[in-house]
Amino acid sequence: SAVISQKPSRDICQRGTSLTIQCQVDSQVTMMFWYRQQPGQSLTLIATANQGSEATYESGFVIDKFPISRPNLTFSTLTVSNMSPEDSSIYLCSLTSHTTGTDTQYFGPGTRLTVL
Amino acid sequence: AQKVTQAQTEISVVEKEDVTLDCVYETRDTTYYLFWYKQPPSGELVFLIRRNSFDEQNEISGRYSWNFQKSTSSFNFTITASQVVDSAVYFCALSEGNYGQNFVFGPGTRLSVLP
Repeated sequence: SAVISQKPSRDICQRGTSLTIQCQVDSQVTMMFWYRQQPGQSLTLIATANQGSEATYESGFVIDKFPISRPNLTFSTLTVSNMSPEDSSIYLCSLTSHTTGTDTQYFGPGTRLTVL
Repeated sequence: AQKVTQAQTEISVVEKEDVTLDCVYETRDTTYYLFWYKQPPSGELVFLIRRNSFDEQNEISGRYSWNFQKSTSSFNFTITASQVVDSAVYFCALSEGNYGQNFVFGPGTRLSVLP
């Protein structure tokens, strides 16, 4: 399985500030994904990040609020901009790993964000 | 659009009991993939199983087993002889394509295994 790391693992931020979350993987992948998990809720896809092109955002998520970078095939960042308490969530990056002819979705350990 | 339903919000069992977590899905595609993930209190998502729509064979892995029935659009997960370490939130998920696109999670079932 793929090894995915995220930084920071958790943070407490003030309203109105921004936080950039980093995701590093141990193999080259074309597509990476960013998810949000609000407290007590399931996971929701924020956007798909392809290397060399603009991220594709899901309904309800916009680039101004969640800018994404994908500078190479092993790294991506998600910024949560102008934060409010409603942004308090776990943010997870994800990728599809192709092993023995099957595709499986793996997730990073998550970044637990609390906005005061 | 695809949808995943996990009707059981919370389940509590006593250690060594068997427990089945239900998952019902909706999709218009004939090719799709179903997943189960475990999220323990630490928060990370642990991949448990992936099943494609053309493979209805049930699978057993240790104390875990999965029952895939296309006729009822269900992909249920059974834990045999449950243990306290099985306490977690379990998510069923559906993907209508490869590469993580159109990947939808169910709401999750919180399983508590009591000693």
